[in-house]
Amino acid sequence: GAVVSQHPSWVICKSGTSVKIECRSLDFQATTMFWYRQFPKQSLMLMATSNEGSKATYEQGVEKDKFLINHASLTLSTLTVTSAHPEDSSFYICSASWAQGANEQYFGPGTRLTVT
Amino acid sequence: GENVEQHPSTLSVQEGDSAVIKCTYSDSASNYFPWYKQELGKRPQLIIDIRSNVGEKKDQRIAVTLNKTAKHFSLHITETQPEDSAVYFCAARVYSSASKIIFGSGTRLSIRP
Repeated sequence: GAVVSQHPSWVICKSGTSVKIECRSLDFQATTMFWYRQFPKQSLMLMATSNEGSKATYEQGVEKDKFLINHASLTLSTLTVTSAHPEDSSFYICSASWAQGANEQYFGPGTRLTVT
Repeated sequence: GENVEQHPSTLSVQEGDSAVIKCTYSDSASNYFPWYKQELGKRPQLIIDIRSNVGEKKDQRIAVTLNKTAKHFSLHITETQPEDSAVYFCAARVYSSASKIIFGSGTRLSIRP
């Protein structure tokens, strides 16, 4: 149980275009989802927290107009990187939690984004 | 906000020896401390966790200790094996409605045959 998927697993896009990444909880309802970004040989940096049906809460330094997060249902959250640039190339990982305040988070497999 | 520091950044041990990774956290309200193992290009995998009302927890070759007063927690891996080679992250969570987990900077563990 507690399976989280992401789609796509990897994507290459041209500079200036937008890319959407999906995060799905397959066998549980995720009240809260988290989006992380991980650059090579670095740690996971939390970008934002999204709760179903409400606006995402972004971490300091993360541009909310550039990284659009939608959590429209209890099983799906999306991250859209708008006007992508090469510096946005990274490994994006989502995680999902069945309840606010729950300890456990279940991670998706990640999406490798390369912007050319 | 919470800040988690992790040491060392790299660790090389002989197969069969023990490995210890240490972390400190800043927010005394943190109450949950997971440890993750991440292999290259893969998702982090939870290997052990500890809650603030417990001082030590063990699962086979892996143990975690927590010192709430000093705000320190450590991962201990005994009888290391080649498959233990990976990047390990400690993390801390502050109990709140946000329940977000903050990661340490990571330790690259290499097991020498």
